[in-house]
Amino acid sequence: NAGVMQNPRHLVRRRGQEARLRCSPMKGHSHVYWYRQLPEEGLKFMVYLQKENIIDESGMPKERFSAEFPKEGPSILRIQQVVRGDSAAYFCASSLNRGGSYNEQFFGPGTRLTVL
Amino acid sequence: GENVEQHPSTLSVQEGDSAVIKCTYSDSASNYFPWYKQELGKRPQLIIDIRSNVGEKKDQRIAVTLNKTAKHFSLHITETQPEDSAVYFCAASKSEGAQKLVFGQGTRLTINP
Repeated sequence: NAGVMQNPRHLVRRRGQEARLRCSPMKGHSHVYWYRQLPEEGLKFMVYLQKENIIDESGMPKERFSAEFPKEGPSILRIQQVVRGDSAAYFCASSLNRGGSYNEQFFGPGTRLTVL
Repeated sequence: GENVEQHPSTLSVQEGDSAVIKCTYSDSASNYFPWYKQELGKRPQLIIDIRSNVGEKKDQRIAVTLNKTAKHFSLHITETQPEDSAVYFCAASKSEGAQKLVFGQGTRLTINP
């Protein structure tokens, strides 16, 4: 049973380029969360998606960042015109859709983005 | 929105001693409190969690306590071993709605042999 998968594991971009981060949830999981971890800091919630829907994007910067979770394929976090401050580890987590109780989130290995 | 504070930011203990990490939360509607362990360059891994209908939960050398009235919860590690060295994060969430995790700032735990 494969866990949450993310690729690439490491991504280097120059300022102004675009970064695309991919997340494949665990089999059977229909909820995806993206978190950002700046160096020496905790994880910060960015966005929560279900298939073809953004449910909560309250943690996403208003500009340059977007996320999607299409009907087929992985969830994608897209950062346009990257700046040095975007350098961070981006973690994806997935969970089941069981109503009435908390659904444990399983984390992927993360994508470490470095902006030169 | 929810805010989670975690203390201390660093903790160094002798092997075999106990370690305690404390967190407070602000939103009384939060009802799920997981603890994650993150080793250098690795993903966060859930080590124990507690729901608001219980006050304490134990799993071998790890225990978590929750005080809903005071809105704080703590992680206790007994008989610490070198492999316990890592960064530990507490988090809070609600079982309704988005269920997003709000994390504390992390505690870097070092076990000295």
